[in-house]
Parts: sequence; structure tokens; C-alpha cells
Amino acid sequence: RKEVEQDPGPFNVPEGATVAFNCTYSNSASQSFFWYRQDCRKEPKLLMSVYSSGNEDGRFTAQLNRASQYISLLIRDSKLSDSATYLCVVNQYYKYIFGTGTRLKVLA
Amino acid sequence: DTAVSQTPKYLVTQMGNDKSIKCEQNLGHDTMYWYKQDSKKFLKIMFSYNNKELIINETVPNRFSPKSPDKAHLNLHINSLELGDSAVYFCASSQTGADEQFFGPGTRLTVL
Repeated sequence: RKEVEQDPGPFNVPEGATVAFNCTYSNSASQSFFWYRQDCRKEPKLLMSVYSSGNEDGRFTAQLNRASQYISLLIRDSKLSDSATYLCVVNQYYKYIFGTGTRLKVLA
Repeated sequence: DTAVSQTPKYLVTQMGNDKSIKCEQNLGHDTMYWYKQDSKKFLKIMFSYNNKELIINETVPNRFSPKSPDKAHLNLHINSLELGDSAVYFCASSQTGADEQFFGPGTRLTVL
């Protein structure tokens, strides 16, 4: 079993749609959690950190469920510019484990 | 002003050669990392350094030798390059070993 699992997609959605990504992790001792986005042939860029209380940044909402070892990302009102690969990242103190990523394509 | 920079951006070389990739961060972070992203786009951590000290070596072959002359720099030297070393190598930094990371633009290594 992979340490961090994500549905690879692709998710093809129309502009304006709401889309949700999920991620599960296997190590209950994991400390911190993040969502990154990676555009084709570019470096990963931090989208948001994820907290148990849930957090929101504009159209993006992230949630962490430690009991279920599950992380989610919700994107509302999708824009063409949201097309990218979304990476779930789990930290175990100096070791960051990346999921394989979920590809999102927002269609006009 | 680039926060994490890497050189070179592209590296094409023959099998058996030795090459180095340099990384610098101007964020004042204490921790730096090397990652490898293979052709399947999977991003895997190779090394973690904190204040010039090696913290994590993720079972990387000893042909790969990182060096941190100071906490703003983490270079990667690779000996006897193999075809399987072809990948994109990313450098990253963070303030602590649990904070958000910031990535360099990557070095695309092709071994012929």
C-alpha cells in the first residue's frame, strides 16, 4: 500500500463547477499536511496547508480527518487557470511524502 | 527575486560521467531538500538537511553525494551517471522540518 494515495484522475470539469479531491495516508504519526499544485514542466507550488479545523482560501477549502487519515480539497467555481496536477503531501518530520497527484482539466 | 534557485536548468550528459547541480535559497530557511521526479511524475524525497547536517537519506545510492557548505546552499553531486538517473531534480527549502516547502525550478537531467 502506498503511503499517500490519490485518485490520479483526470478530472475533466466545466468552468464554474465544484470539484473535490481526496487523499488518504497510512502513517498515523504524520505531523503536517499540505496541498500543492504542479503545472506541466514546472515546480510544485504550495496551494495551502491543511488543518484539522479545516481552512479556506478563497475558492479553495481543505479538510483533514486524522481519525480516518483522510485529506480533502474542494475547489469552487473552477477557472481555466485551475487546470493542473494537485499533489497531496504528508509530513513526517523532515520527510515529506507526496501522493502521485490528481490531474484536473477545467474546460471552457 | 528568486527564492530557491537551481543551476543548471538542463543537463545532458553521457553514461559514466560525473555532474553537479547547485541550489541556493534566500529565504533564510534552516532546512533544504533534494527530490527526484521520474518519468511517471512521481516526486520522491532523496535527502533532507538541517543547518548543514544530513537528517534523512532515503536509500539513495551512494553515487549521489549532497553537500551543504552553509545553510543557504545544498549541492548535489552525482558520480558514474546511469540511464535511470534521467529525471527532474528539484531542490526545496523550509523553515523547519514540518513547515511548507518552497521549490526551485528544477534541473532536467538526461543521461544518454
